[in-house]
Amino acid sequence: NAGVMQNPRHLVRRRGQEARLRCSPMKGHSHVYWYRQLPEEGLKFMVYLQKENIIDESGMPKERFSAEFPKEGPSILRIQQVVRGDSAAYFCASSPPQGNEQFFGPGTRLTVL
Amino acid sequence: GESVGLHLPTLSVQEGDNSIINCAYSNSASDYFIWYKQESGKGPQFIIDIRSNMDKRQGQRVTVLLNKTVKHLSLQIAATQPGDSAVYFCADLGTFQAGTALIFGKGTTLSVSS
Repeated sequence: NAGVMQNPRHLVRRRGQEARLRCSPMKGHSHVYWYRQLPEEGLKFMVYLQKENIIDESGMPKERFSAEFPKEGPSILRIQQVVRGDSAAYFCASSPPQGNEQFFGPGTRLTVL
Repeated sequence: GESVGLHLPTLSVQEGDNSIINCAYSNSASDYFIWYKQESGKGPQFIIDIRSNMDKRQGQRVTVLLNKTVKHLSLQIAATQPGDSAVYFCADLGTFQAGTALIFGKGTTLSVSS
């Protein structure tokens, strides 16, 4: 069974560019969560999505950040006009339709130069 | 606001010793707690969970204890091995309903020396 997949694993962007992070949930999982981890800190919730719906985006910055989980394909976390403070590890987790045991992907490490 | 924290940022033990990692939480209504292990460069890996209607749960070499009175939980690792070296996070899930975000503490770095 493939686990949660994320790509790219490492992403380097210059200030002002766009970053697109992809997440494919585990088979049978319909819930996707995005978390951000700054160095030496725990993960912070950003957004929770189901297919074609954003359910809770209370942890998302108000500007430049967006997320989607289309009917077909992976979930995408998009960061426009990146700044150095966006440098972090971004983790995706998925859970089954019932219950909430969240399984994490390996993360995407974003570095903004 | 709600917070989850660990008492010590680092813990160093000898191989074969038992390790105890502690965590305090603030939301008395929290229903579900999970311990995660995160190795360098990897995502959090589920270790063990416990619901609020339990005081203790055992896995393979790991035990989680929950004290709701003082809002404290601990992770005990028996016969700690070098492969246990990692950052350990406790995470609080307010309810077990799908879609509830995990709230993570800052983590304890466990270092195991041979």
